[in-house]
Amino acid sequence: EDKVVQSPLSLVVHEGDTVTLNCSYEVTNFRSLLWYKQEKKAPTFLFMLTSSGIEKKSGRLSSILDKKELSSILNITATQTGDSAIYLCAVAGSNTGKLIFGQGTTLQVKP
Amino acid sequence: DGGITQSPKYLFRKEGQNVTLSCEQNLNHDAMYWYRQDPGQGLRLIYYSQIVNDFQKGDIAEGYSVSREKKESFPLTVTSAQKNPTAFYLCASSIDGGNEQFFGPGTRLTVL
Repeated sequence: EDKVVQSPLSLVVHEGDTVTLNCSYEVTNFRSLLWYKQEKKAPTFLFMLTSSGIEKKSGRLSSILDKKELSSILNITATQTGDSAIYLCAVAGSNTGKLIFGQGTTLQVKP
Repeated sequence: DGGITQSPKYLFRKEGQNVTLSCEQNLNHDAMYWYRQDPGQGLRLIYYSQIVNDFQKGDIAEGYSVSREKKESFPLTVTSAQKNPTAFYLCASSIDGGNEQFFGPGTRLTVL
């Protein structure tokens, strides 16, 4: 059965800290891995990683895909209170037409 | 403006009643999805549709039903058979299955 596991489930840091969120997966015929940020309502897209694009960076956020270890990390440097959110990892496999989501990591950044 | 809309934002239902949640998109996307999110948890797939007039069950389809008569619309009915329907419901769409999904603002359903 396809599965996506995120860790830690929750994390509390102070402004300025660097955090690393983890996502591991077991999926048939991996196609892509996506990261989303969810603050109050709708998740917003951060990155998509594929075999041809294993590293992405946008400002203080960056993500790497390790296809050998079947995992990905999301790094946030110099955290700010606005980074407080649930971070969701999702994986597309086979040609099922759907994403499999992990449980999410709840990040709280304290002033 | 292109996007996904969901209505209503908040919905209250008495036990034993069916309710229908609306989801509309004007992104010209073929695929649409319904998820349920419970407090402190990730998203669980209820139903999805890759093309008009076709849909598949997700991981937790029991007690729910959908239709896909138009490309733009994918309404979700929460039936009285759903034992624990209180949750946050998110609708999403994508150009095709397996790629980036765009989410609507969600509907929070509370059963009284």
